[in-house]
Amino acid sequence: DQQVKQNSPSLSVQEGRISILNCDYTNSMFDYFLWYKKYPAEGPTFLISISSIKDKNEDGRFTVFLNKSAKHLSLHIVPSQPGDSAVYFCAASNSGGGADGLTFGKGTHLIIQP
Amino acid sequence: KAGVTQTPRYLIKTRGQQVTLSCSPISGHRSVSWYQQTPGQGLQFLFEYFSETQRNKGNFPGRFSGRQFSNSRSEMNVSTLELGDSALYLCASSLEARGNNSPLHFGNGTRLTVT
Repeated sequence: DQQVKQNSPSLSVQEGRISILNCDYTNSMFDYFLWYKKYPAEGPTFLISISSIKDKNEDGRFTVFLNKSAKHLSLHIVPSQPGDSAVYFCAASNSGGGADGLTFGKGTHLIIQP
Repeated sequence: KAGVTQTPRYLIKTRGQQVTLSCSPISGHRSVSWYQQTPGQGLQFLFEYFSETQRNKGNFPGRFSGRQFSNSRSEMNVSTLELGDSALYLCASSLEARGNNSPLHFGNGTRLTVT
């Protein structure tokens, strides 16, 4: 049973446009959400996070939106750059306890086209 | 500041053997977690250590174990290796234990191949 789902295995976006990556979760106990970016042969790199008390968090070109009622979050990258081409993982956590660590989605491969 | 360092980067073992992987966290980070990444299952949580104590454990058999030392460095051990243990093993560190919403910072992993 996948508790964190990224339904798009890949996404192609033109350079300079907005990239929107989506993530859905089923566990209502999750209250902390993160996005990671991963290049081949490297570990995931932390990008941005959001706590469930907020609905938006922004850091430079990256903005994460959280819709708790829909159990949905999204990562917006504006403007998209060639170096953004990577696999993006959504992750969720229950900060109140539990033995699951971070629960990750299976990732979305973002391809930025020149 | 140096990132999370994992050694070795690549390892080839045969079935039945055991293996030890090493992780040095970011300086000042007291929490270390381990994850297994495979193409089919994605990233799965193995365990978390904080101040030398195992805080949480994922759904893996007892062949997978770990420990953390007083300097926060961590090792994980897999005994009686099986073909299905072939994966990228990722170590991550954070300032605080998971319950304090502190993001994990990952190393580049150890690629284990079991033949």
